[in-house]
This record gives sequence, structure tokens and C-alpha cells, in this order.
Amino acid sequence: GENVEQHPSTLSVQEGDSAVIKCTYSDSASNYFPWYKQELGKRPQLIIDIRSNVGEKKDQRIAVTLNKTAKHFSLHITETQPEDSAVYFCAASFAAGNKLTFGGGTRVLVKP
Amino acid sequence: GAVVSQHPSWVICKSGTSVKIECRSLDFQATTMFWYRQFPKQSLMLMATSNEGSKATYEQGVEKDKFLINHASLTLSTLTVTSAHPEDSSFYICSAGQGSEKLFFGSGTQLSVL
Repeated sequence: GENVEQHPSTLSVQEGDSAVIKCTYSDSASNYFPWYKQELGKRPQLIIDIRSNVGEKKDQRIAVTLNKTAKHFSLHITETQPEDSAVYFCAASFAAGNKLTFGGGTRVLVKP
Repeated sequence: GAVVSQHPSWVICKSGTSVKIECRSLDFQATTMFWYRQFPKQSLMLMATSNEGSKATYEQGVEKDKFLINHASLTLSTLTVTSAHPEDSSFYICSAGQGSEKLFFGSGTQLSVL
């Protein structure tokens, strides 16, 4: 089955700096890669996703890049703000709407 | 986005009792729902795929007789933790999607077994 590795496990950045989280996946058949943000005790919220026919996608301060050949994808957050502090999870699935395999999560702390 | 409702949000029960958790898609029909569990400071681990009108598909290592899943309608799936024990204490969360679209999560259920 699919295996998703996520790094780093914790990330501390100064407000205004950029944060980058990287994930690798094992199943070359995976073609849908969402990113979720989870605050303590709350549900994961989808923040951005990318499909395998696209190399990069951007939404305001958030961007995701995908290298299908190398089987890795990354989340980029620019101009970080304290409210960006949360746990971020990458995930992969065979298709949107199918079961997701999650990475281990990255705890992001944005220091004011 | 689509709304997925999950109840209860938290439950405390005695060891040996059973607990039922409901997951509802409020504004769309979901032929498939997913159940995850999450231990503190860990990732979400898929437990099973709930299929409307048929048996659930369980992930390796998940006891189907302990975690009973029923998906009786296109908007409701239930997870019953039978004969709960302290090691079953966890955050249980469901998700559902609109066909080929994005998956949305319920608010989760924090289960504490005494």
C-alpha cells in the first residue's frame, strides 16, 4: 500500500519568514495530493490540493509543488503569521475522493 | 465546502461498554465514508472504508468485530466501539467526499474509556 513520509516533524519560524514542508510517497499510482491544517482538538481543514497532471498550484500565501518523477511534493507558506501555527498533514490517494494515506504531520510554530 | 457532522464530540464511558459515533453528510450524499483514529500528537490512521449498502472494508490490523461500521443510508455512517477498553481511548474522526471531489472531515469524537 501507499506510504507517505513527511519532514520535518516540527518547524519553528519567525513571523514573516517562509515555511516549507516536504513529503514523499511510495505508490506511483497516487495522483491526488491534499494538504490539511489541524488545530488542537479540531478537524483537519483542507488548505490546498494538487493533482498529478499539475506541477504547481498557488493560493495566496500557500503553494504546493509536485515532482511526480521523484514522488515528492512540498507545501510552501510565505509571509507566515502567528495564526499559521498548527499541525500540517500531507496526504496521497489514488484519486480525489478515495481513501487518503497521511504523512506523520508537521507541527509549525510561528513566533511573533 | 461540504459539511460533515459528527456526534458526539466527546464521550466518557466505562470499560466494557459500547459507544456509537455518528457521521453525517449534511448537504450531499456520500456513498463512501472513511473512519480514522488519531492518538495525541500523531497522524491520522485509516481504520476502515464505509460503503453504503455493503460491508465496510477494514485496514490491516483493525478488528472488524470490535469496530462495527454501518452505512445504512447515503448520508449516515456509524462506528460502534464494542466492549471498549482504555487502550481504545483516542480521537475518532470521519471523512466523506462528494464523488470525485475533495474529502471533508467531521469534527471528531474524543473517546475516553475509564
